[in-house]
Amino acid sequence: EAQVTQNPRYLITVTGKKLTVTCSQNMNHEYMSWYRQDPGLGLRQIYYSMNVEVTDKGDVPEGYKVSRKEKRNFPLILESPSPNQTSLYFCASSLDQNTDTQYFGPGTRLTVL
Amino acid sequence: DQQVKQNSPSLSVQEGRISILNCDYTNSMFDYFLWYKKYPAEGPTFLISISSIKDKNEDGRFTVFLNKSAKHLSLHIVPSQPGDSAVYFCAASVIYGTSYGKLTFGQGTILTVHP
Repeated sequence: EAQVTQNPRYLITVTGKKLTVTCSQNMNHEYMSWYRQDPGLGLRQIYYSMNVEVTDKGDVPEGYKVSRKEKRNFPLILESPSPNQTSLYFCASSLDQNTDTQYFGPGTRLTVL
Repeated sequence: DQQVKQNSPSLSVQEGRISILNCDYTNSMFDYFLWYKKYPAEGPTFLISISSIKDKNEDGRFTVFLNKSAKHLSLHIVPSQPGDSAVYFCAASVIYGTSYGKLTFGQGTILTVHP
């Protein structure tokens, strides 16, 4: 089944404790991105990657890192999480930048205390 | 600065009636628009899209209308069904040649369809 998977689905952590949210897609997509969803703000792009070893900042990259060492995986790293990073996070992928439709993962709800 | 706005946080309609979800944008560079639907505990899924060269696109019960002069688009669902109850996000993009730029999303509208 074609899908985007994220782990963990739910995470409660404390300020300053490094964490990684994994994202994996099995569709051989070139383009992947991370969004956060907050009430009243919709989805905002954090980082995106057009292909392996090619990443760039989205609208709200502060406090986040990403890497794209292989095509299928695009982990989101919070080196020192803070409470304002409490949010619902979505990973998405599409075939390439010439494709309009993005496929979203199920989401990761992160709470930083 | 919210470039894509969905000013109605929620909408409630009766089964069988029409649902109309609205979206406004401020960036005149946007030339491609999409609607995504999101159920609880799931990621958004693509619903329908429209290019700025068109003013209407239809797919079954779903029709998207684009009014470029007013920078306004709307999604019509006819007839509405209880399974349509979800959060609907409007999104906009700029097309560069054959490449789609990043998506800018609205805040979302919660649609509830009552049996």
